[in-house]
Amino acid sequence: GQNIDQPTEMTATEGAIVQINCTYQTSGFNGLFWYQQHAGEAPTFLSYNVLDGLEEKGRFSSFLSRSKGYSYLLLKELQMKDSASYLCAVLTSSGGSYIPTFGRGTSLIVHP
Amino acid sequence: ETGVTQSPTHLIKTRGQQVTLRCSSQSGHNTVSWYQQALGQGPQFIFQYYREEENGRGNFPPRFSGLQFPNYSSELNVNALELDDSALYLCASSSPRDEETQYFGPGTRLLVL
Repeated sequence: GQNIDQPTEMTATEGAIVQINCTYQTSGFNGLFWYQQHAGEAPTFLSYNVLDGLEEKGRFSSFLSRSKGYSYLLLKELQMKDSASYLCAVLTSSGGSYIPTFGRGTSLIVHP
Repeated sequence: ETGVTQSPTHLIKTRGQQVTLRCSSQSGHNTVSWYQQALGQGPQFIFQYYREEENGRGNFPPRFSGLQFPNYSSELNVNALELDDSALYLCASSSPRDEETQYFGPGTRLLVL
């Protein structure tokens, strides 16, 4: 089976930088997603990493190390609206199908 | 707004009943996936449909079934409802040009009493 681990909750200050880690143990790894989900809303796509390295997209960056089974999401210049759950999800292939497996999510609380 | 719509928004059923949830995907998206999200958990993959055929399934029993129609809209059917089926049900669509990027609908919140 797939195993994805991320912290349950993190807090940070407005304007600061926060790093949310995700570790995984899977077979048939294809790539790793990060999604943002505000309370009571649907997840929204943030990033998809296939190759090792850092990908930057505005205030958000995502890093992947396939050999270590490790990823992180880096949020810079935090804003109050960044308070949300951040979901790490691994895409694996099995029998010609692609199966996404989500972690439980990290609840980020940004305070003034 | 992702262009993905779901109906109904909320639903209350009793144990043993059957339920059908509906999803309209974003224009041009021929792949639809369904997820179950319990409170405080991440979404759990139920199954995916591509061009009207099931194209991958998660660890859910056969009483969870689905359909995709020629216009790529989709249904999720759950038979013999159990209390643990209470959750937010999300559908997500993706396009053939960008299969990895999924656009989620707002979800249907199902309560089983």
